[in-house]
Amino acid sequence: EVQLVESGGGLVQPGGSLRLSCAASGFTVSSTYMSWVRQAPGKGLEWVSVIYSGGTTYYADSVKGRFTISRDISKNTVYLQMNSLRAEDTAVYYCASFDSGFPETNWGQGTLITVSS
Amino acid sequence: IVLTQSPATLSLSPGERATLSCRASPSISTYLAWYQQKPGQAPRLVIYDASNRATGIPARFSGSGSGTDFTLTISSLEPEDFAVYYCQQRYNWPRTFGQGTKVEIK
Repeated sequence: EVQLVESGGGLVQPGGSLRLSCAASGFTVSSTYMSWVRQAPGKGLEWVSVIYSGGTTYYADSVKGRFTISRDISKNTVYLQMNSLRAEDTAVYYCASFDSGFPETNWGQGTLITVSS
Repeated sequence: IVLTQSPATLSLSPGERATLSCRASPSISTYLAWYQQKPGQAPRLVIYDASNRATGIPARFSGSGSGTDFTLTISSLEPEDFAVYYCQQRYNWPRTFGQGTKVEIK
């Protein structure tokens, strides 16, 4: 069974950094595509970043240069390193997995990031 | 790519038919998905590539459309179908979502 579990959320001050983790089970993160999608409180979904099975990465313009997606195959985990955080980055962050040619198919339960002083 | 969903809210009773719209600009062929999200839960894939039901999705859900105009239809609403529905395009990066349609109980 595919399972995704996010962790690492919490309260951080503007300008601070945080690293989110997404631990996968039931499949290997190196064999599929992994995305991060966020949702600000009471708002809609916003795609953030993706890492391909081959390692290629893409980012939303709103986070480019500040966020970095990566993975540790030995831990079967994907990460989102978030630097220079802003109030508008406050959201629940979901990780999702999908195969080539599909949209985000399997989702974690999300982890909440609050950027506030 | 901008996705515009309508209406923002749909007030219907169980057993009624729900028709949700998603308009894309520019054209995205059939690279459109629909997600269902209930309060406090992660999104759930309902339809992919405009008209394909995801695993475990009941047959009362159907999708149609191509190019710029897409529709999600729920033929007869069940109590568990009341939720927010989002469309998403995978035509290119960055993937974008519509703003959502809330299907609420009338």
